[in-house]
Amino acid sequence: QSALTQPASVSGSPGQSITISCTGTTSDIINYNYVSWYQQHPGKAPKLLIYEVTKRPSGISNRFSGSKSDDTASLTISGLQADDEGDYYCTSYTTNDAWVFGGGTKLTVL
Amino acid sequence: QITLTESGPTLVKPTETLTLTCTFSDFSLTTSGVGVGWIRQPPGKAPEWLAFIYWDDDKRYSPSLKSRLSIFKDISKSQVVLTMTNMDPVDTATYYCAHKPWNIISPAHWGQGILVTVSS
Repeated sequence: QSALTQPASVSGSPGQSITISCTGTTSDIINYNYVSWYQQHPGKAPKLLIYEVTKRPSGISNRFSGSKSDDTASLTISGLQADDEGDYYCTSYTTNDAWVFGGGTKLTVL
Repeated sequence: QITLTESGPTLVKPTETLTLTCTFSDFSLTTSGVGVGWIRQPPGKAPEWLAFIYWDDDKRYSPSLKSRLSIFKDISKSQVVLTMTNMDPVDTATYYCAHKPWNIISPAHWGQGILVTVSS
């Protein structure tokens, strides 16, 4: 199972909005609305931000939103804050009854 | 508050079998829809989904690692155990235990992880 494709890095200034893309195939993103997004700070475990493409777990800020179109899922962070800096990973359910992660995107807040 | 704690060896030799234990609290693995499993992350790389076991004893494995993995649960001890055979230096990674709630499709709670190094 190939990893989902994410940009290696994105950046933005405080207050701005950024979008991270995650591209898959018919084995995952295209055929399933089971895309999740995680945020990871250095030395910490990943934290769930978005599941089932658009849903937020309890306690996650509405500055984080998700969407999907065809083979690409996206995570948008609005009102960028310094604490948003970190690594972001997408993941999708697959036809193999397993989950595949993206390669990760490093977000820098300028 | 849901907690998961990984335990096991931090150093294993090539060809050895790795056995990791996840001890969890504040949820039950007998509740319909709940799952517990393992995800690993090599240093500086993306996470990799390994295996999950569900409330009904259904088990799912990474297709590429299926022949080397085994997962089982001990409800009485609130533990989930993962074994991985024939360890290799490329298996060096932080191994995380994670909880899938009954109402969320993805792992929502993770342990702090345990760094396992494979070296002779």
